[in-house]
Amino acid sequence: AQSVTQPDIHITVSEGASLELRCNYSYGATPYLFWYVQSPGQGLQLLLKYFSGDTLVQGIKGFEAEFKRSQSSFNLRKPSVHWSDAAEYFCAVGPQNTGFQKLVFGTGTRLLVSP
Amino acid sequence: NAGVMQNPRHLVRRRGQEARLRCSPMKGHSHVYWYRQLPEEGLKFMVYLQKENIIDESGMPKERFSAEFPKEGPSILRIQQVVRGDSAAYFCASPGINTGELFFGEGSRLTVL
Repeated sequence: AQSVTQPDIHITVSEGASLELRCNYSYGATPYLFWYVQSPGQGLQLLLKYFSGDTLVQGIKGFEAEFKRSQSSFNLRKPSVHWSDAAEYFCAVGPQNTGFQKLVFGTGTRLLVSP
Repeated sequence: NAGVMQNPRHLVRRRGQEARLRCSPMKGHSHVYWYRQLPEEGLKFMVYLQKENIIDESGMPKERFSAEFPKEGPSILRIQQVVRGDSAAYFCASPGINTGELFFGEGSRLTVL
């Protein structure tokens, strides 16, 4: 069965420190991979996505993620966190090339940013 | 994504009442996905529709829930005889054209008293 694991429910990072959010997936083939961010009471905004090619992908707001096939991981990183990054982050996977974007989401990691 | 419009943003219902949630996809799009987010959980797929047709409803609860996307007007997610466990945020999304991603609305938050 397809699944996404985000092992960290909460993470607290000091402003200006680096950040890494973990994501592991279980899927029958190499899927499309996504990171979304959700601010309180809001919808989801796409941060970045991986379809193919370079395994290090750049997204919005200074985020990047690295796809590691051997580890079935797609960890999200940011070199220097800003207070406005406090939000919930969701990793998601979906099928390739089907035109059917039935995404499977992880349970999310809530990021708290301390002064 | 501002292009996907959902209403109401917040809805309060008493147990046994009906809830209707509406979604208008991005302009020019004729497909919508509905997802449910229970408290402290990730989003779970419910149903995928195109106009006048249900493509995949494998994530819909077997009873009380239904969805439609008529030729004219928004897509509607209908929950009959709501129970407290239906309290959740319900999100609608438009698929990107040949991009593999979903663009989400801001959600409708249902509270069942």
